[in-house]
Amino acid sequence: GDSVTQMEGPVTLSEEAFLTINCTYTATGYPSLFWYVQYPGEGLQLLLKATKADDKGSNKGFEATYRKETTSFHLEKGSVQVSDSAVYFCAGANSKLTFGKGITLSVRP
Amino acid sequence: EAGVVQSPRYKIIEKKQPVAFWCNPISGHNTLYWYRQNLGQGPELLIRYENEEAVDDSQLPKDRFSAERLKGVDSTLKIQPAELGDSAVYLCASSLYGGSNEQFFGPGTRLTVL
Repeated sequence: GDSVTQMEGPVTLSEEAFLTINCTYTATGYPSLFWYVQYPGEGLQLLLKATKADDKGSNKGFEATYRKETTSFHLEKGSVQVSDSAVYFCAGANSKLTFGKGITLSVRP
Repeated sequence: EAGVVQSPRYKIIEKKQPVAFWCNPISGHNTLYWYRQNLGQGPELLIRYENEEAVDDSQLPKDRFSAERLKGVDSTLKIQPAELGDSAVYLCASSLYGGSNEQFFGPGTRLTVL
């Protein structure tokens, strides 16, 4: 079946640092790919998505590019803020949405 | 626009007791999902409804779990009897239709079984 692998966490960064969170997927065909974020005390919400190879999703300064050759969808942000502290989930969708384990990001002032 | 509503937000029960969770999806969303999220893990799909029909319940433990979506709007997920291993967050999500369409999640119900 489909699977999504995220880098191990947690990750702690200082404000304005560069962020990369790795995500790779294994699936039949080429699923749509997503990054979801869960802020403390809130539900999961979609951060960005890409539906085909070489698509770049972007939102709130975050970006991720669908790389078919490496089956990856790494999340990046050039300068993180304290308000970005949350749990980030990578997910892929063929017939259903399959999530990675999530990674906790803490940004200190 | 109101989001996905779930209740209760928290539930603590003793093992072998029954428990039920309720979900009201976003108005107009035909597809409704129930997920279970164990601590430190991503959500895992339990069941998916298209309108009132359960189209994917392959991951639902049918010996103790049941779900319904009468009239194709709100939905109830039930566990009877609950076991210690059922402690988790139960998430409801909805989307306009199935497939890779964006899913909108509710805040979840955190279940603790003692």
